[in-house]
Amino acid sequence: DQQVKQNSPSLSVQEGRISILNCDYTNSMFDYFLWYKKYPAEGPTFLISISSIKDKNEDGRFTVFLNKSAKHLSLHIVPSQPGDSAVYFCAAGETSGSRLTFGEGTQLTVNP
Amino acid sequence: KAGVTQTPRYLIKTRGQQVTLSCSPISGHRSVSWYQQTPGQGLQFLFEYFSETQRNKGNFPGRFSGRQFSNSRSEMNVSTLELGDSALYLCASSLGQNKPSDTQYFGPGTRLTVL
Repeated sequence: DQQVKQNSPSLSVQEGRISILNCDYTNSMFDYFLWYKKYPAEGPTFLISISSIKDKNEDGRFTVFLNKSAKHLSLHIVPSQPGDSAVYFCAAGETSGSRLTFGEGTQLTVNP
Repeated sequence: KAGVTQTPRYLIKTRGQQVTLSCSPISGHRSVSWYQQTPGQGLQFLFEYFSETQRNKGNFPGRFSGRQFSNSRSEMNVSTLELGDSALYLCASSLGQNKPSDTQYFGPGTRLTVL
């Protein structure tokens, strides 16, 4: 039972344009959401997070949006840069514990 | 500050064997979590150790086990290896606050291949 799903295995965008990565979840107990970025041969690195009491969190070029009623979150990268090319994982957790549930990942390719 | 280290980086085993993977957390971190990454499945949570005790456990069979030492270093063991155990095994360390906002820092992983 995949409680966190990223339905797009891959996404390709042009440098300078917006990248939008999507994630859906089914467990209504999740109240904290994160995005991680992973380069080949490296472990995932934390990118940005959002609590369920908010619907938007921004950090530089990265913005995460949360739609609780739709159980959907998205990561916007503006403007996209070639160095952003990586696998992006969304993850969800409950404030009652540290366990994270990850999605399958989306390979983002930003073309120069 | 040194990051999370995992040894070995690559491992090849045959079916039926057992394997032990090691993880050294960031200094000062007391929690270590283990994940299995396979294509199309994302990161699957195995277990978390805090203060030498297993605090959380995922839905993996008993062949997967772990432990944590007093210096917070952790080991993961897989017995009676199966072909499906071939994966990237990642460990992550955190302060141990037992909440999702306690950022987990990942190591580079151990690539296990079972032949």
